[in-house]
Amino acid sequence: EVQLVESGGGLVKSGGSLRLSCAASGFTLSSSTMHWLRQAPGKGLEWVSSTGSSYNYIHYADSVKGRFIMSRDRAKNSLYLQMNSLRAEDTAVYYCARDWVDSGDSVNFGDVWGKGTTVTVSS
Amino acid sequence: DIVMTQTPLSSPVTLGQPASFSCRSSQSLVHSDGNTYLNWLHQRPGQPPRLLIYQISNRFSGVPDRFSGSGAGTDFTLKIRRVEPEDVGVYSCMQTTEFPYTFGQGTNLEI
Repeated sequence: EVQLVESGGGLVKSGGSLRLSCAASGFTLSSSTMHWLRQAPGKGLEWVSSTGSSYNYIHYADSVKGRFIMSRDRAKNSLYLQMNSLRAEDTAVYYCARDWVDSGDSVNFGDVWGKGTTVTVSS
Repeated sequence: DIVMTQTPLSSPVTLGQPASFSCRSSQSLVHSDGNTYLNWLHQRPGQPPRLLIYQISNRFSGVPDRFSGSGAGTDFTLKIRRVEPEDVGVYSCMQTTEFPYTFGQGTNLEI
């Protein structure tokens, strides 16, 4: 079964750091474009960062640029999000998701999502 | 950044009746490859989002045919032919044509 499982969330003080993990099963994570997204309490979804399957790019939202670092480990088939200099506004459920290729060879977003991990930043 | 605007923000409906959600983008979502990467996601309370529709009108695997997407350029619509109880939740449009990916505010479907 294709699955993504996030972990690493928790309560941290403003200015602190956390490292989120996203473990993939049923597919090779390094072969897929992968994404981190988040949802603040009672708010809509927000894209955070993405990395291409060929390691050819990593993009970040302006709100996290310079503070968050996305990476992956082939051997562990896992994706990571290192979050530094955390702020209260980073409080959210963080999801990882992957891209997929349709029958027309177009790359589309989000066929598989994890259940999310909760990050709470206290001020 | 591309701004996605959804209307309405809340949609009370009766079971068995149709529902419709609108999404407008601040600029064309046509990608250089010719495709339009407008997606619709559904999120039930307490659950992660799931993909319903991709590239404007393509139903993702397992999505019932009562869901349909339409539109072009900057104006898009999601329709539910007859609302069922499991359709409650928030419907969000999302563009993945260019970075940063952006979402609409979401429409809350209430029964």
